This record gives sequence, structure tokens and C-alpha cells, in this order.
Amino acid sequence: KAGVTQTPRYLIKTRGQQVTLSCSPISGHRSVSWYQQTPGQGLQFLFEYFSETQRNKGNFPGRFSGRQFSNSRSEMNVSTLELGDSALYLCASSPMFRTAEAFFGQGTRLTVV
Amino acid sequence: QQQVKQSPQSLIVQKGGISIINCAYENTAFDYFPWYQQFPGKGPALLIAIRPDVSEKKEGRFTISFNKSAKQFSLHIMDSQPGDSATYFCAASGTAGNKLTFGGGTRVLVKP
Repeated sequence: KAGVTQTPRYLIKTRGQQVTLSCSPISGHRSVSWYQQTPGQGLQFLFEYFSETQRNKGNFPGRFSGRQFSNSRSEMNVSTLELGDSALYLCASSPMFRTAEAFFGQGTRLTVV
Repeated sequence: QQQVKQSPQSLIVQKGGISIINCAYENTAFDYFPWYQQFPGKGPALLIAIRPDVSEKKEGRFTISFNKSAKQFSLHIMDSQPGDSATYFCAASGTAGNKLTFGGGTRVLVKP
């Protein structure tokens, strides 16, 4: 079974631009969560989607948004990029909502210059 | 508010030794406690997990010990190998969907 696929693996963007990251969950998994990983703040929860609906949201500004499609694939968008948004963005898929087991992709390394 | 505290931040262990990482949580609503292993350039990989109804779970060389009354849990890596050198994260969930609250991570170095 293929794992969680995140694209692209690396991105370099300029401050003020916007970016869209993509995540394909494990086949059959319907819940997708997004996390930001930085050396200073560690792993922080961004949001979770299940059945195309945002179920939970972390403590991030409105510049961070996401969506989920009917095939469970998910995208997250960051608008008006700031230098502090440079991070590894990780997607995790879970079989259902409230099943807890989460499997992570390799992440997208975003660098804002 | 850091809801899961992890210690130590780093540790060095000799090959064949035991690595012990500790975590403490505050929210009694947490009901699922996984450990993740992360290598440089990779995403976290689920290692082992436990629920509060058991006090210990073992999978190969990895053991989780859980103390519900103390709100603490720990990971023991027995017979540590150089290939175990990685960053380990404890986490907790149960308050909202599949949301995981992570500890700060422990960088483990196993010396040959």
C-alpha cells in the first residue's frame, strides 16, 4: 500500500507570495491533518479535514487555509508568506475521524526568502 | 501552553544500551499516546502507541510504560543500535479528532 504522498518536496517562495501544498493520503484513509515543524516551535497542528469538512483547527492565522476533495486528497494554502513561515509542512492521514493512528508523509520543505 | 513535556532533549547511549525518554501530559482527556521516530529529511514514522487501559506495551526492542495517575509515559529502547539514532517524539490525542499534541522531541545518538 502506498504511503502518504506530499508534493512538492521543496519550495522556495518570496515574502508576500502565496503557496499551495498537496497531500494524497493512504488509499482508503479519509482523514487528513496538517502540521508545521520548525526547530523553534516543534510540531504544531494546523488543521484536520474529514469528509471534505474542516473538523479541527490549530492556533494559526487565517493566512493558513486548507481544503479536502471528495477523493480525500487535501491541499493547504498559505497566503502573504512571511519569513517565519519557513518550515517543514507535514501531512498525516488516518483511516477515519477519531481513530488516532496517523501516518505522515515526508513533508514539503518551504523556504521563504 | 505546552501540554506534553518531553525529556531529555538529547541523549547519547552506547550500542547495546537502553535509551529512556520520558513524557508528561496535563490534559486528562488524552486517551491515545503514540511515539514517533524521525530521521533527517523524513516525516515522523509511527513507532508504537498505547492507550490508558494498559500500563505497558512492548513491540520488539521498543516498550512504552504508562502511569495514568502520574500522567506520565516513557519509551524504552532496549539493545540500542546505531540505526536507532534519530529524533523521537511523544504525542497525545483524544481531545479533538485525530489532532496530535507533540512533545518537544529527543535527539538520540547511539554510539557504536
